Amino acid sequence: GNSVTQMEGPVTLSEEAFLTINCTYTATGYPSLFWYVQYPGEGLQLLLKATKADDKGSNKGFEATYRKETTSFHLEKGSVQVSDSAVYFCALTLNTGGFKTIFGAGTRLFVKA
Amino acid sequence: GAVVSQHPSRVICKSGTSVKIECRSLDFQATTMFWYRQFPKQSLMLMATSNEGSKATYEQGVEKDKFLINHASLTLSTLTVTSAHPEDSSFYICSARVRDTNYGYTFGSGTRLTVV
Repeated sequence: GNSVTQMEGPVTLSEEAFLTINCTYTATGYPSLFWYVQYPGEGLQLLLKATKADDKGSNKGFEATYRKETTSFHLEKGSVQVSDSAVYFCALTLNTGGFKTIFGAGTRLFVKA
Repeated sequence: GAVVSQHPSRVICKSGTSVKIECRSLDFQATTMFWYRQFPKQSLMLMATSNEGSKATYEQGVEKDKFLINHASLTLSTLTVTSAHPEDSSFYICSARVRDTNYGYTFGSGTRLTVV
């Protein structure tokens, strides 16, 4: 079946530290891959996306590369800020006669000043 | 662009009453709207998919008589939680697929429902 697995949180980092949140997936077909961010009390916002193998999505200093050979889409940021504290969701979308999105469980990030 | 407005953001209701949540696409036509439920510290669970002008498709285990979905126009979808009980307390989020983001979705800001 189709699924998304993310590293468990919470992840606690100091400001300006390097961030990696691992995400792997299983899918039948060729999914598009996404990272969403959810700030406290809010809905989800699209952070970045990649639609085919070797594509790199980037936004606000975050990056993720679609790795088909390792079925991964790890999220990275070189220097995190306190304002990056949020929950991050990895997701895939497939068109299986209708679009369906599967979310990972989410990884909570705390950044300390 | 591609904004989905969701109301109310918070609602507290008494057990046994019904609550309606609205999602409007402000600057695009949402032929398909998705409704999710999120439990504390958990991921989103797809409840149902609604298509404009037709009946919603519910995921397995979701009671369609309890969670009524209406998608009467290209810009408005509603979720009504009927005869709410405390176990229905949750965070409900709608989303719509936006074509120009390669199947990405834009989400409403969510509704925190508390049933007392």
